[in-house]
Amino acid sequence: AQSVSQHNHHVILSEAASLELGCNYSYGGTVNLFWYVQYPGQHLQLLLKYFSGDPLVKGIKGFEAEFIKSKFSFNLRKPSVQWSDTAEYFCAVNPGTTSGTYKYIFGTGTRLKVLA
Amino acid sequence: EAQVTQNPRYLITVTGKKLTVTCSQNMNHEYMSWYRQDPGLGLRQIYYSMNVEVTDKGDVPEGYKVSRKEKRNFPLILESPSPNQTSLYFCASSRLAGGLTDTQYFGPGTRLTVL
Repeated sequence: AQSVSQHNHHVILSEAASLELGCNYSYGGTVNLFWYVQYPGQHLQLLLKYFSGDPLVKGIKGFEAEFIKSKFSFNLRKPSVQWSDTAEYFCAVNPGTTSGTYKYIFGTGTRLKVLA
Repeated sequence: EAQVTQNPRYLITVTGKKLTVTCSQNMNHEYMSWYRQDPGLGLRQIYYSMNVEVTDKGDVPEGYKVSRKEKRNFPLILESPSPNQTSLYFCASSRLAGGLTDTQYFGPGTRLTVL
């Protein structure tokens, strides 16, 4: 079965520290990849996505992610976190409609707490 | 304002009492989906719909029903709720053009407790 693994369940960082959150998926074909964020009390919203082209994608609020096909990974990074980045982060995958399925698979999420 | 709305936002009910959680979007999106969020399990897709009258199961469809009679609405029905359906539920929508590469827009969530 397809799955998405987020290895870090809870991360605590001080402001200005660098962030990397891991995401690995198990699917052999073409995939569309997403990172969503859930700030406290707010709706889930898109941080960034990758579906083709440059494997290094940039998103909102200084986040970026790199798609490494050989490692089935799509890790999220930010060089310097802020207190306002405290949130829960979700990696998500879908195989694209050419696969015949329209399902989304989400990871279990990573709770990030940034200390001021 | 472009948005996905869900009602109710909070619901406490008892085992076996049928309930419906409504979801509506005003963006003319073809794709709509329901998820449940549980601690340690992340978001799991319950059902999705690619357009009016076209729905399919996600990873955890047992105990749920959906319908898509109009493009804007995608209600989630629990015919006989049980305590293991206590969860936080999210509705989402997106365009389908581009092969599911588009952003999903999420509703505010419905917190359901089944006693």
